[in-house]
Amino acid sequence: GEDVEQSLFLSVREGDSSVINCTYTDSSSTYLYWYKQEPGAGLQLLTYIFSNMDMKQDQRLTVLLNKKDKHLSLRIADTQTGDSAIYFCAYNAGNNRKLIWGLGTSLAVNP
Amino acid sequence: DTEVTQTPKHLVMGMTNKKSLKCEQHMGHRAMYWYKQKAKKPPELMFVYSYEKLSINESVPSRFSPECPNSSLLNLHLHALQPEDSALYLCASSLGRRMNTEAFFGQGTRLTVV
Repeated sequence: GEDVEQSLFLSVREGDSSVINCTYTDSSSTYLYWYKQEPGAGLQLLTYIFSNMDMKQDQRLTVLLNKKDKHLSLRIADTQTGDSAIYFCAYNAGNNRKLIWGLGTSLAVNP
Repeated sequence: DTEVTQTPKHLVMGMTNKKSLKCEQHMGHRAMYWYKQKAKKPPELMFVYSYEKLSINESVPSRFSPECPNSSLLNLHLHALQPEDSALYLCASSLGRRMNTEAFFGQGTRLTVV
């Protein structure tokens, strides 16, 4: 079946690294995504990784994919208060390639 | 231009009103989507248009009626809504229907049904 699990909350101190984890069940996914949603705002695509990659780095963001364990993580280096938001993990699945979403991890950054 | 623009940003409507939500993109994307999002929940897919034709309807009640007048525009017509339809309505677009590239979202329309 199609399922995505994320821990619901994460709290870090400003300047520390944040690691948000996600596990999924569908091994046929081709693209896996991280979206950020600030309060009252829409969804911002942060980054995505193709399923034949292990790692992708983009400035402060590092995405790690362990396809064997079906585990995806997002590391934010030098976390800032502006990074406080809900982070959704998602992947495309099925013939229609619909996006399957996790419940989101609420990241709180404390000064 | 990597923007998906939605109007209005906020909408309050009565249960007997008829209103429309609008979405526009100029990225040349041929797939456009409507999602509904309740507070602190992931978005739920409602409709998918591919090359201006409706390709997916996720069993959405007929009080929601989508329309795709051209490849850049997507509308959602609302009629006889219920209070439980209050939510953030998000439009998205992607290059193709298979969502195998970036999908960009608008800022959403926050709808309140009274």
